[in-house]
Amino acid sequence: QVQLVQSGTEVKKPGASVKVSCKASGYTFTSYYIHWVRQAPGQGLEWMGIINCSGGSTKYAQNFRGRLTMTRDTSTATVYMELISLRSEDTAVYYCARVPKATYAFDIWGQGTLVTVFS
Amino acid sequence: QSALTQPPSASGSLGQSVTISCTGTSSDVGGYNFVSWYQLYPGKAPKLMIYEVTKRPSGVPDRFSGSKSGNTASLTVSGLQAEDEADYYCNSYAGSDNWEFGGGTKLTVL
Repeated sequence: QVQLVQSGTEVKKPGASVKVSCKASGYTFTSYYIHWVRQAPGQGLEWMGIINCSGGSTKYAQNFRGRLTMTRDTSTATVYMELISLRSEDTAVYYCARVPKATYAFDIWGQGTLVTVFS
Repeated sequence: QSALTQPPSASGSLGQSVTISCTGTSSDVGGYNFVSWYQLYPGKAPKLMIYEVTKRPSGVPDRFSGSKSGNTASLTVSGLQAEDEADYYCNSYAGSDNWEFGGGTKLTVL
């Protein structure tokens, strides 16, 4: 079935970087965009950015420019999200989500990856 | 704070209807028919409930409906059931490959 499976929990120190993976299956990988969204403890959803799984182009939310990189590997249908210079405020559950090119809505979500930044 | 404004909480009795608003600007909600709504249970991934303002994905009960007027979108849940108690978030496309979420609304079923 259509699914996105993310990598596991991460614990990082301030200043470190984290790379989370999101493996797609059950659909044509290059026909969709993948977005990353995070939710800090007790907070709302925050849109981080988008990657075009076909051409690899990206767009990042203003809050993350300079710290965020999204890449994709079409041979394994996997998208990666790397966030550098981590700080405590980056502690959150990070989700990848699929977006069809026509609807602009997040129709399939990964299970989420908890990233804890702790000194 | 979030780009889109939602009430922090909403409530309704079993069987009643409740409407959750999502207010933006002419640059997001008012400018595009790409408003979507998501249901979140604690510890679970979000679930798409409404897309393109009014459309329901397969499997979402028809008790859930969406609408938009000007810069404000709304999610209405009719015939409230206990399992509808969750957090709800709106999202809008904001142009130039940017998307925005609302701050979320906690729906309580009395």
